[in-house]
Amino acid sequence: DQQVKQNSPSLSVQEGRISILNCDYTNSMFDYFLWYKKYPAEGPTFLISISSIKDKNEDGRFTVFLNKSAKHLSLHIVPSQPGDSAVYFCAANSGYALNFGKGTSLLVTP
Amino acid sequence: EPEVTQTPSHQVTQMGQEVILRCVPISNHLYFYWYRQILGQKVEFLVSFYNNEISEKSEIFDDQFSVERPDGSNFTLKIRSTKLEDSAMYFCASSGRTGTSYNSPLHFGNGTRLTVT
Repeated sequence: DQQVKQNSPSLSVQEGRISILNCDYTNSMFDYFLWYKKYPAEGPTFLISISSIKDKNEDGRFTVFLNKSAKHLSLHIVPSQPGDSAVYFCAANSGYALNFGKGTSLLVTP
Repeated sequence: EPEVTQTPSHQVTQMGQEVILRCVPISNHLYFYWYRQILGQKVEFLVSFYNNEISEKSEIFDDQFSVERPDGSNFTLKIRSTKLEDSAMYFCASSGRTGTSYNSPLHFGNGTRLTVT
């Protein structure tokens, strides 16, 4: 039962360009969405979040867009840097639990 | 910056043995969680814990699993009789959400890799 889906397992972007990571969800009851970044041998690190009452949230180089009618959210990173290379997880909050997608591995090349 | 710490980083155990995974959440946080990630799969919710009791648990969290906050700082996950399929990375997390401000991001530890042989 995959309520949060990240259909692209990997993405490669050149340094300085925009990285766009996508996420779809099925449960219209989700009211809070988060993006986490994960490096190997480390736990997920919170990156940015958005409430369902908003359609955009920006924090420095990171912007999350939410399209509720399409049940779709995306994370934009601009400009991308080599240090952004990591696995990015989309998550949605229902009650106490976070439902995670399978992650997208981002590689930013110099 | 305060962080969630987990010990050990790697635990190897034989099938049928009991294991206890330990976590020290961020000190002023009130909500505690265990998640796991089987190799190549997504991060899955196991259990949440608040006010010394389980607030929510997933289907994965069956009778073989238990959680405890034995003192003011530690939060443990016990697996009574491990199975091969319990092999995974187990992540502890905590959050500071209180009252109606429930949307507080989770802070994760670096995980314990459990290998059941």
